[in-house]
Amino acid sequence: GNSVTQMEGPVTLSEEAFLTINCTYTATGYPSLFWYVQYPGEGLQLLLKATKADDKGSNKGFEATYRKETTSFHLEKGSVQVSDSAVYFCALISGGSNYKLTFGKGTLLTVNP
Amino acid sequence: NAGVTQTPKFQVLKTGQSMTLQCAQDMNHNSMYWYRQDPGMGLRLIYYSASEGTTDKGEVPNGYNVSRLNKREFSLRLESAAPSQTSVYFCASSGGGPGQVYNEQFFGPGTRLTVL
Repeated sequence: GNSVTQMEGPVTLSEEAFLTINCTYTATGYPSLFWYVQYPGEGLQLLLKATKADDKGSNKGFEATYRKETTSFHLEKGSVQVSDSAVYFCALISGGSNYKLTFGKGTLLTVNP
Repeated sequence: NAGVTQTPKFQVLKTGQSMTLQCAQDMNHNSMYWYRQDPGMGLRLIYYSASEGTTDKGEVPNGYNVSRLNKREFSLRLESAAPSQTSVYFCASSGGGPGQVYNEQFFGPGTRLTVL
């Protein structure tokens, strides 16, 4: 079956530091990959996505590249802000999953001023 | 557009009580989902509805029932609440239907349920 493994947190950084959150996956077929963000007390919002190998998703300064050879979709940002403090979820959906998203367990990021 | 709305936002129940969580979307999406979120567990799919008139079990369906009332609304019912059902519940929708499996899911703000 499908599964997503992301680095365990919490991750604590200072403002303007570089961020990497690792995500690897196993899936049947050719999945689409997503990063969702959950701000405190809110629901999940799509941050970025990539639908095929070598695609790069980007949004709000965050980037992730779909690497089929390493089955990875690591999230990066060059300079984090306090407002980026949130929980980040890596997720995938594949043709064999009948429209269902498979989520990683989430990584809590705290950015200090 | 309101997107995905959920009611109530908060609820406290006693063991054995029943309740229904309501979800509605105004994006004309075919598919709707119910998840629960527990610390350290990420999100787990309870039930989903790929299209109006169909529902299927997800990863953790025991103790829950669902109704896809129409294309807009998808409710989750707890017939006899248990403390293990204390969680945050999220509804989501997507345009995905037959032949459209990769559309993103849009989430509601969540219902925080405590069962005493």
